Amino acid sequence: DIQMTQSPSSLSASVGDRVTITCRASQRITNFLNWYQHKPGKAPKFLIYAASNLQSGVPSRFSGSGSGTDFTLTISGLQPEDFATYYCQQGYTSPYTFGQGTRLEIK
Amino acid sequence: QVQLQESGPGLVKPSETLSLTCTVSAGSIRSYYWSWIRQPPGKGLEWIGYVYNIANTKYNPSLRSRVTISADTSRDQVSLRVTSVTAADTAVYFCARGFGDYLFDSWGRGTLVTVSS
Repeated sequence: DIQMTQSPSSLSASVGDRVTITCRASQRITNFLNWYQHKPGKAPKFLIYAASNLQSGVPSRFSGSGSGTDFTLTISGLQPEDFATYYCQQGYTSPYTFGQGTRLEIK
Repeated sequence: QVQLQESGPGLVKPSETLSLTCTVSAGSIRSYYWSWIRQPPGKGLEWIGYVYNIANTKYNPSLRSRVTISADTSRDQVSLRVTSVTAADTAVYFCARGFGDYLFDSWGRGTLVTVSS
């Protein structure tokens, strides 16, 4: 299975900050990389597909980049509703696997 | 906007079968991939498998021998069965839709299933 490693595992930031979360795959996955946001008790939300494509309705302060094995999710200008846990997921090959998550907390 | 709601017993005894249903509202289950994903307490997300166009399925090899995912288009429901459960199957189980097999664009809130005697 392809292992997905996110860093950091947790992050403290303030409203208005710019934050970057990194995701690394254990082998090359071209751009088959997706990002999700999850808040406790809520349905996870699909943010970005194919590494850099914003899902419809997702605010433009979210952006993704990367290819091969290294990927990033950037949130520019944090809003109060952005504090959540973020997961990357590879869709290159089955079984599809997720990173362990990055918990974004309010400083 | 499509809505997904997982339902089923919250407690299952060891060695028995876990059965969950995902009811899809405001959308048909045809022509989409329907996956089950789980998250054990304090752990990460694990993809279990999907059903596509009713008859096409793919499963995580780690669970393949114990898992069945099926779809009922007349009720717009997707089902999950996991046989011979142990405590390691205790998790929040999510239903998710994908317009491709490799992504999950809509999710349910999840339902906690505890395996315990």
